Amino acid sequence: DVKVTQSSRYLVKRTGEKVFLECVQDMDHENMFWYRQDPGLGLRLIYFSYDVKMKEKGDIPEGYSVSREKKERFSLILESASTNQTSMYLCASSSGRTGGLSGANVLTFGAGSRLTVL
Amino acid sequence: GQNIDQPTEMTATEGAIVQINCTYQTSGFNGLFWYQQHAGEAPTFLSYNVLDGLEEKGRFSSFLSRSKGYSYLLLKELQMKDSASYLCAVSPYGGATNKLIFGTGTLLAVQP
Repeated sequence: DVKVTQSSRYLVKRTGEKVFLECVQDMDHENMFWYRQDPGLGLRLIYFSYDVKMKEKGDIPEGYSVSREKKERFSLILESASTNQTSMYLCASSSGRTGGLSGANVLTFGAGSRLTVL
Repeated sequence: GQNIDQPTEMTATEGAIVQINCTYQTSGFNGLFWYQQHAGEAPTFLSYNVLDGLEEKGRFSSFLSRSKGYSYLLLKELQMKDSASYLCAVSPYGGATNKLIFGTGTLLAVQP
């Protein structure tokens, strides 16, 4: 019944390493999102994608990039990990492109990837 | 700017009723969501309000007043399993951009 799968629950990396976080959804959703969650700051949007090969910056894109080569897969890339990127990373997906009463904005989240950068 | 405020923590007793408030100031409004997140787990969708008024779903209800920029989540007949964080989120944008802005969450502790 799992619909959004994140490849790793826990990762420990060193400063300067390149990190890949993978997310796969099986609901044929158009939209996919990467958030990070930090105590006292809540969920903050890093990047999102509304179609294959399309991406848009969220509120905190610095230090991150993304890739969406297939509809079901959305990857978050940390080119050179830093200690301030230690966080819980949550992937989410949603169907459709418009909001309103259709409820198309309902996000389904993955279980999260807790990244520690030493 | 975008701002969503909700209390950081609340405590309530099993069997009681608790109301979690959320106020928002956003550039636009296309709906307000409540999510529940148990420790170490993914947030799960609870409710959605886009029109003023009360939406009831079992033990949970959510209220919206767009003119006041205000919502609350009401939990009745509290159970221990309701101990979780409750996230208020607003969709400020319409059309193809349907990203959400989240509050910092309210950690609810239900005591026996």
